[in-house]
Amino acid sequence: GESVGLHLPTLSVQEGDNSIINCAYSNSASDYFIWYKQESGKGPQFIIDIRSNMDKRQGQRVTVLLNKTVKHLSLQIAATQPGDSAVYFCAENIGGYQKVTFGTGTKLQVIP
Amino acid sequence: DGGITQSPKYLFRKEGQNVTLSCEQNLNHDAMYWYRQDPGQGLRLIYYSQIVNDFQKGDIAEGYSVSREKKESFPLTVTSAQKNPTAFYLCASSRLDTDRGYTFGSGTRLTVV
Repeated sequence: GESVGLHLPTLSVQEGDNSIINCAYSNSASDYFIWYKQESGKGPQFIIDIRSNMDKRQGQRVTVLLNKTVKHLSLQIAATQPGDSAVYFCAENIGGYQKVTFGTGTKLQVIP
Repeated sequence: DGGITQSPKYLFRKEGQNVTLSCEQNLNHDAMYWYRQDPGQGLRLIYYSQIVNDFQKGDIAEGYSVSREKKESFPLTVTSAQKNPTAFYLCASSRLDTDRGYTFGSGTRLTVV
C-alpha cells in the first residue's frame, strides 16, 4: 500500500520528460529480468522483460537495457505522464520461477 | 476476466491469533506464491507451490503455513508464532512453461492490534 513507498530512493521528473530508473542485480547467473510497476495500494504489474541474451528491448514508451558486464538493468520511460507515478521494481530469475529475487524499488514522482 | 484475487484487503489481528489470507486465481496457472512486503524492502518469498498438494518454504517461512488443495487456491495462514506479522502480503501466480513473469493480486494489509 502507500507505506511501500516510504524509505525508498525517489526519482522526481517533470511531466513530459524521460525517466531512467536503475537497478543493480546480484547474481551473474540470472538469465531473465523483469520490471514491475506498483501503484499505491495495489499489487505489482508486469511492465517489460528481457532475457540475458539481449541487451535492449522496447515496449510501448518503455525500454529496458541490460548490461551484464556490470550487472545493471535500467528502465527508460519516454514522455513520463502523471499515471507513471509509482514504485518500480526490477526482478531477476535463474532458470525457474521459484528463484525470482526482487529489488527494493524506486519511487517515481511525476511533477505536473 | 482472468485474474488473481486476494481477500480481505485489510485485516486486523489480535496478538496470539491465527489468521488466514485468501488467494484465488482463474488463470489456470500451475505455480502460486506468497510474498511479504515491508516499507523500504524488496518482496520476500514466504512459500510457493508448483503443483497441487505440494509446496516449498521460501526465505521467511517461519510463523506461516499454507495449503494447496486446489489449483486455483493457495491460502496463507499467519500463525501466532510469527513475531512481526504486520505487513502487506502479496499473492502471485505464474505459468511454468514460459518466461512471462508473475501476475500479482492486489494485496492484503495485515495489522496486529
